[in-house]
Amino acid sequence: GQNIDQPTEMTATEGAIVQINCTYQTSGFNGLFWYQQHAGEAPTFLSYNVLDGLEEKGRFSSFLSRSKGYSYLLLKELQMKDSASYLCAVADSNYQLIWGAGTKLIIKP
Amino acid sequence: ETGVTQTPRHLVMGMTNKKSLKCEQHLGHNAMYWYKQSAKKPLELMFVYSLEERVENNSVPSRFSPECPNSSHLFLHLHTLQPEDSALYLCASSQVSGEPYNEQFFGPGTRLTVL
Repeated sequence: GQNIDQPTEMTATEGAIVQINCTYQTSGFNGLFWYQQHAGEAPTFLSYNVLDGLEEKGRFSSFLSRSKGYSYLLLKELQMKDSASYLCAVADSNYQLIWGAGTKLIIKP
Repeated sequence: ETGVTQTPRHLVMGMTNKKSLKCEQHLGHNAMYWYKQSAKKPLELMFVYSLEERVENNSVPSRFSPECPNSSHLFLHLHTLQPEDSALYLCASSQVSGEPYNEQFFGPGTRLTVL
């Protein structure tokens, strides 16, 4: 079967760095997405990785290792507004997205 | 209006009611999706439409009936729902379906409660 695993909840301190991990087992791989979802709002696109390595976009970076079926989202200089759920999704062999349950990130002052 | 809009934002219905959810995208996309989001569970893909034709139906019960009259509008018709159908229903759109880098744009969702 297809499976995406990510921690249910994480807590971090304002100004610090946090890494949210995602491991996957899917039928085929055509890229991995990270989305951010604030409570009561729509998920919004953060990053896309299809090749191994690190993609940096401002305070956020995303890493992919296809051989290990592993990705992480790195958030630096955390701000209170970063409190949200972070969703990992993998595009399978049919290019349909398989989603993880999301990681709720709580930022404390 | 910009992006993807959904109405209503909140809906409470009895098990014998019939209601419809509406989604509209203003992005010029050709693919639209319905997802179900339950607490602490992964997003569940329900239906995919590409160029107004249904291309995916993930074993969704027949009490959910989608309709896509054109590439900008998507409906989800609901009838004789069960309490376990209570969830957030998200609509999304993308440029195309079934191709690489298929970034999806989401609407704010309809919070459905079935009594």
